[in-house]
Amino acid sequence: DGGITQSPKYLFRKEGQNVTLSCEQNLNHDAMYWYRQDPGQGLRLIYYSQIVNDFQKGDIAEGYSVSREKKESFPLTVTSAQKNPTAFYLCASSPTYVESTSYNEQFFGPGTRLTVL
Amino acid sequence: AQKITQTQPGMFVQEKEAVTLDCTYDTSDQSYGLFWYKQPSSGEMIFLIYQGSYDEQNATEGRYSLNFQKARKSANLVISASQLGDSAMYFCAMRGSYNTDKLIFGTGTRLQVFP
Repeated sequence: DGGITQSPKYLFRKEGQNVTLSCEQNLNHDAMYWYRQDPGQGLRLIYYSQIVNDFQKGDIAEGYSVSREKKESFPLTVTSAQKNPTAFYLCASSPTYVESTSYNEQFFGPGTRLTVL
Repeated sequence: AQKITQTQPGMFVQEKEAVTLDCTYDTSDQSYGLFWYKQPSSGEMIFLIYQGSYDEQNATEGRYSLNFQKARKSANLVISASQLGDSAMYFCAMRGSYNTDKLIFGTGTRLQVFP
């Protein structure tokens, strides 16, 4: 079955440690995204990538870093510079508009809940 | 700048009744797309329905329909014949001009369906 996997589902880290969240997709999508969700709020875009080896900052990129070495993978590192990292993190993918005949809905993974102690 | 506004933090509806979840948007783009997603308590985001700015008819997908009023910049989601499994958070989102894949999300509405 095609889809997006995120691991782990729950992650606990000590303050000051970097942590990397995994996101893998087998949908053959070019575009991938990372969102952060805080309680009672919508999703805010952290980073996105429309093609391998290229990515752009979203609205709240400070304290985060990403890489896109493979089409299938878009890991997110939450660094110690992120002042309030405890949140729910969602990864998504979509075909880019130029390659799609549909309206490019984003497909989401199950999310990772990060708690910094 | 683009913005999505959902003014209803929470809504209640009785099973088998219809419910409307409000969404207004702001954009200067002529071409844009509007999405609704459902987020159950498990956390994943489930795509429900899409409306393009140039679509002449309101979108429908099963029990979901989108009441699109372009002049008012509103894109309300209508769920007919509510089911207990419809209890979830619902998010309205917008994509701007067609050369970008970025989505802007609203703050969501929590829908609770009671027997």
